[in-house]
Parts: sequence; C-alpha cells; structure tokens
Amino acid sequence: KQEVTQIPAALSVPEGENLVLNCSFTDSAIYNLQWFRQDPGKGLTSLLLIQSSQREQTSGRLNASLDKSSGRSTLYIAASQPGDSATYLCAVRQGSTGGFKTIFGAGTRLFVKA
Amino acid sequence: DTGVSQDPRHKITKRGQNVTFRCDPISEHNRLYWYRQTLGQGPEFLTYFQNEAQLEKSRLLSDRFSAERPKGSFSTLEIQRTEQGDSAMYLCATVRGDTHSYEQYFGPGTRLTVT
Repeated sequence: KQEVTQIPAALSVPEGENLVLNCSFTDSAIYNLQWFRQDPGKGLTSLLLIQSSQREQTSGRLNASLDKSSGRSTLYIAASQPGDSATYLCAVRQGSTGGFKTIFGAGTRLFVKA
Repeated sequence: DTGVSQDPRHKITKRGQNVTFRCDPISEHNRLYWYRQTLGQGPEFLTYFQNEAQLEKSRLLSDRFSAERPKGSFSTLEIQRTEQGDSAMYLCATVRGDTHSYEQYFGPGTRLTVT
C-alpha cells in the first residue's frame, strides 16, 4: 500500500531564505508526482508536475526534483516571501483497479515571516 | 481560479439530514475525481469517473455516499443521514482525458459541517 510522507510537518522561516520541502513515498511504481499549494480553507493549486521519466521541473522560484528509485521528491523554494505562506502537498499518481488513483501526503505548513 | 467550480462552498447541516454537492469540471476534462480532506490531512480519494462511468470507489465511500455524473459533465456527491464524522472539505478534481500528463485541476471545495 502506497504511503506518502512529508517532512517537516511545519516550517517557519524568515523572508528571503531558501528552503526545501521533502516528500517520500513507499512504492516507486508511480506515473507522476505533483506538488500543490493550499491556502487555508481553499482548494489546491497545482505548482509543478513531474512525470515518472523526468528528474525535475522548474517554475519561477520553485524547483521540484524526483528520484523514483529512492522514493523521494523535494520542492525547493528560492528567496521565500510572506506570500509563500501556505500548506504544500505532494501527491503521487499510480495505477489502480479502475485506472489511476492519487495518494496525498499530509502536507507541510510553511510560514514565512516578514 | 482553475476553471473547476463547486457548489455550495459551505454547508452546515444537522446530523441525519441529506446533503448534495455539485462539481462542474473544465469542459474538455472527461476524468473527474472526488476527495475528502479533514483538518491537517491531505485529501483522500473517494471516487472516480471517466465520462459518465464511475470506475472506482474507495472503501471510504460508505453506503450513505453516492456519486453521479449523468451526462459526463457535472457531477454530484450525495451524503445521506449525515454524521458528525462526515464534517470535512469535499474536493473535486478533473483531468483532461487526451493527455498523458494527468495533471489534476482542483475546485475550491465544499466545506461541510455536521452539527
């Protein structure tokens, strides 16, 4: 059974700091891994999607890497800003009886202090 | 705004009542997912539609839950005889069918509170 773990559960950093969020998964047979941002009480916003054949994806100040063999992904945020404060979720997509299913981690709550 | 809409955004109901939520996907997205999210946790898969066919249901989806997607467009999720444990955020996500990326686009969610 696939399990997705995110470390740390919460993180508080001063503005301007570079930071890394970690995601690990137990079953490497995944199709892709997606990083999301969720603001309090809101839905999820997709940040980056990495296909299983890819090693990394970049968007602006965000860079996500994927090491499928070791079951790890990292989300790197450069020059953090107070507006980056949110919960960051990683999710892996894998095959299932009806097609595909997505398993989420519990998220990392990030607070960037001005 | 991802283009996926959900209605209502908030619902407060008394235990034992029935509730129904609606999800309107992005028009060319033929795959639709329902998730439930409780405080401090990631979303948990409930059920999945490809067009109008419900292809998979989680064990979390008890007999009190039913989902439909009658014309392969919008979907509804109904909870009968609500219990306090049903209080959660219910999220809908859609995926474009003719792509290999399977990138999910989420709606804003419906927050259910059962009193």
